[in-house]
Amino acid sequence: KNQVEQSPQSLIILEGKNCTLQCNYTVSPFSNLRWYKQDTGRGPVSLTIMTFSENTKSNGRYTATLDADTKQSSLHITASQLSDSASYICVVSADDYKLSFGAGTTVTVRA
Amino acid sequence: SAVISQKPSRDICQRGTSLTIQCQVDSQVTMMFWYRQQPGQSLTLIATANQGSEATYESGFVIDKFPISRPNLTFSTLTVSNMSPEDSSIYLCSVERGTDYGYTFGSGTRLTVV
Repeated sequence: KNQVEQSPQSLIILEGKNCTLQCNYTVSPFSNLRWYKQDTGRGPVSLTIMTFSENTKSNGRYTATLDADTKQSSLHITASQLSDSASYICVVSADDYKLSFGAGTTVTVRA
Repeated sequence: SAVISQKPSRDICQRGTSLTIQCQVDSQVTMMFWYRQQPGQSLTLIATANQGSEATYESGFVIDKFPISRPNLTFSTLTVSNMSPEDSSIYLCSVERGTDYGYTFGSGTRLTVV
C-alpha cells in the first residue's frame, strides 16, 4: 500500500527561526512529490513540486529536498514568520492523478 | 495556476438532509477531483469527475451517498446525501493544471451536521 509518513506531527518555533519537516514515502512507481501549505479552514496551496530527477526546489523561504533513492523529502522553512503557521502536507504521486497524502505537520510560529 | 471558486464555504445542516457543493474553475479542465478531510486527518479522495461520463468513486464512497455532476469542463457539484454527524468534514474540489502547477484546490466547504 502506498504510504506517506510525515514528522513531526506538530512543532512550535519562534519567529525568525528555521525549521525542517520530514516526509518518507513508499509510493511506487514514483512520479512526483509536492509540498502544500494549508491554512486553517482553507484549501491546500502548492509550495513546490519535484520529479525524481530534481533534488531541491525553492519557493521563497521554503526549500524542499528530495532523495528518490531513500524515498525521503524535507521542507525547510527559513526565517519563519507568523504567517507560516499552518499545516504542511507532503503529497506523492504514483501516476497521473492518484495522490497519496501525508497526515501533515502542524507548524505554529510564536512571536 | 487555475482559480477555483467553491461554495458554500461552510454550512451547518440537520441530519437526514442533503447539501450540494459547487466548484467553478476559471479554465477548462478534463478531470476534477473531490476530497474529504475529516477533523485532524489528511485528504481522502472521494471521486474523480470527468465531463460527460459518470464519476469514478474510490473504495468506501458510493454514488448514492455522494452524487456528482459534471455538466461541462469548468463546473462540478458534489452532493452529500442523507447526512449524519459522521459526514462533518471539510470537502474540497481540485484540478490539475500540469506538473508545473501541481494540483489546485478550492478553498473548501466546512460541513457540520447536527
